[in-house]
Amino acid sequence: NAGVTQTPKFQVLKTGQSMTLQCAQDMNHNSMYWYRQDPGMGLRLIYYSASEGTTDKGEVPNGYNVSRLNKREFSLRLESAAPSQTSVYFCASSGGIGQGPYEQYFGPGTRLTVT
Amino acid sequence: AQSVAQPEDQVNVAEGNPLTVKCTYSVSGNPYLFWYVQYPNRGLQFLLKYITGDNLVKGSYGFEAEFNKSQTSFHLKKPSALVSDSALYFCAVKDDYKLSFGAGTTVTVRA
Repeated sequence: NAGVTQTPKFQVLKTGQSMTLQCAQDMNHNSMYWYRQDPGMGLRLIYYSASEGTTDKGEVPNGYNVSRLNKREFSLRLESAAPSQTSVYFCASSGGIGQGPYEQYFGPGTRLTVT
Repeated sequence: AQSVAQPEDQVNVAEGNPLTVKCTYSVSGNPYLFWYVQYPNRGLQFLLKYITGDNLVKGSYGFEAEFNKSQTSFHLKKPSALVSDSALYFCAVKDDYKLSFGAGTTVTVRA
């Protein structure tokens, strides 16, 4: 039981390049989330998927797209990276709809630098 | 929207002394509150949660939190801090199907 896994762990991009961050969970959770963490700002929600087949914008969705590929996998895509997207990105999952309020389980993070 | 605030950016304590990390909340209805810890270069780890019931909630690693409705607070406490408790601590509140996090408090425990 690996929990929540993320790839890659580190990435350096040039401005304008694109990339996809991958996330997978093996806990049969319904809900999945993408956050970014910046110093002094806590975690800010980018997008979330309350259940398979649905996605919704969070607090800071501009410049990102997501795909809930199946129940296990939730990817985050940067179409044209900008230096303002330099951050640490975390994926999380939780039990979801109809199962009461659950704690979220986090992956180890992806450290992204855009030059 | 539901929100939490962590009024202290940093907390410094000596090993063996009590540790308190403060959190206040603003919600409509009953709050579902959480504490997470983040060690350097790691993801967040769940410590404890308050849903309903006893105002004193016990969690992992000897931590506990006190829910105070009149003061709208949910402070994290540990009676005797360890050097290994040095980390970044986040308070969070459930907001629909999401969590809203505070900005975090860096705890340093000196030997």
